[in-house]
Amino acid sequence: KAGVTQTPRYLIKTRGQQVTLSCSPISGHRSVSWYQQTPGQGLQFLFEYFSETQRNKGNFPGRFSGRQFSNSRSEMNVSTLELGDSALYLCASSPNPGTYEQYFGPGTRLTVT
Amino acid sequence: AQTVTQSQPEMSVQEAETVTLSCTYDTSENNYYLFWYKQPPSRQMILVIRQEAYKQQNATENRFSVNFQKAAKSFSLKISDSQLGDTAMYFCAFMAGSNTGKLIFGQGTTLQVKP
Repeated sequence: KAGVTQTPRYLIKTRGQQVTLSCSPISGHRSVSWYQQTPGQGLQFLFEYFSETQRNKGNFPGRFSGRQFSNSRSEMNVSTLELGDSALYLCASSPNPGTYEQYFGPGTRLTVT
Repeated sequence: AQTVTQSQPEMSVQEAETVTLSCTYDTSENNYYLFWYKQPPSRQMILVIRQEAYKQQNATENRFSVNFQKAAKSFSLKISDSQLGDTAMYFCAFMAGSNTGKLIFGQGTTLQVKP
């Protein structure tokens, strides 16, 4: 069974632009969570989606948003990029919200210049 | 609010020896789950081991085992017969039973296995 895939793997954007990252969960997994990893703040939870609904949201500004499609694939969007948004963005999937194990994708490395 | 603390930023161990990574957490929940994840230089986060808080028996996965002390809110990871491939950053993580889908991570411990 294929693992979690994330595209693109690397991205360079300019301050003020917006970006969309994609995550395809493991086949059969319906819950997708997103995390931001930076050297200063570590790993921080962004949000979680299940059945196309956002179930949980971390403490991030409204510039960070996401959505989930009927096939469980998820996207996250960051608008008006700031230098501090440079990070590794990790997506994780699990079969459903009641399943506590999460399986991570390889991440998208976003650099904002 | 739940917090996870890893007090050892860096550790090293000789190949074939045993090393223990420490983790403490704080929560008022009674139902929760604890995890150790490994992140090698490739940055791929890999689940190493998990522990359900309601289980008294410590989890074991091959060379990896945990020492779960619920009253002390401690969750350490022991790696036996360390291998060069164990070199990675290790994260302790917490998930509340009432809030599945959200992992709270510690700051991580960088482990280097020396030949």
